[in-house]
Amino acid sequence: NAGVTQTPKFQVLKTGQSMTLQCAQDMNHNSMYWYRQDPGMGLRLIYYSASEGTTDKGEVPNGYNVSRLNKREFSLRLESAAPSQTSVYFCASRLGQAEYEQYFGPGTRLTVT
Amino acid sequence: GENVEQHPSTLSVQEGDSAVIKCTYSDSASNYFPWYKQELGKGPQLIIDIRSNVGEKKDQRIAVTLNKTAKHFSLHITETQPEDSAVYFCAAYDSWGKFQFGAGTQVVVTP
Repeated sequence: NAGVTQTPKFQVLKTGQSMTLQCAQDMNHNSMYWYRQDPGMGLRLIYYSASEGTTDKGEVPNGYNVSRLNKREFSLRLESAAPSQTSVYFCASRLGQAEYEQYFGPGTRLTVT
Repeated sequence: GENVEQHPSTLSVQEGDSAVIKCTYSDSASNYFPWYKQELGKGPQLIIDIRSNVGEKKDQRIAVTLNKTAKHFSLHITETQPEDSAVYFCAAYDSWGKFQFGAGTQVVVTP
């Protein structure tokens, strides 16, 4: 039982390049989340998927897109990377409904130059 | 929307002493309050949580208290050990179905 996995662990992009961050969970969770973590700012929600087939914007969605590929996988895409998107990205999942416990992946450290 | 404030931003304690971190929230409909521990280079890990119908919860050396009237909740770590050194985050699950996080507290336990 791997929990929440994320790939890649590290990535360096040039401004304007695109990439997709992958996330998968094996806990049969319904809800999945993408956060970014910047120094002194805690975790900020980018997008989330309450259940398979649905996605919604979070606090900071600009410059990102998401795909809930199936119940297990939730990807985050940067179409044209900007230096402001340099951050650590975390994927998380939870069962949903009244089961609030949220489990996080190990993170992807992204640098945009 | 919900706003969660966390204090202090850094906390240095002697091994064996207690550590207390406090958070306030703004959405009175928030009903779930987790605490996460994040070690360097890792993702946040849930260490304890409390629901709005409970005032206090303990798990060995850690405890969380909730004051719904004042809209604040606190994490208490007793008999601190060097392995307690980490960044701790509070969060609140708000009426929009989203988690709002505090900015984090860097805890350093010195031997």
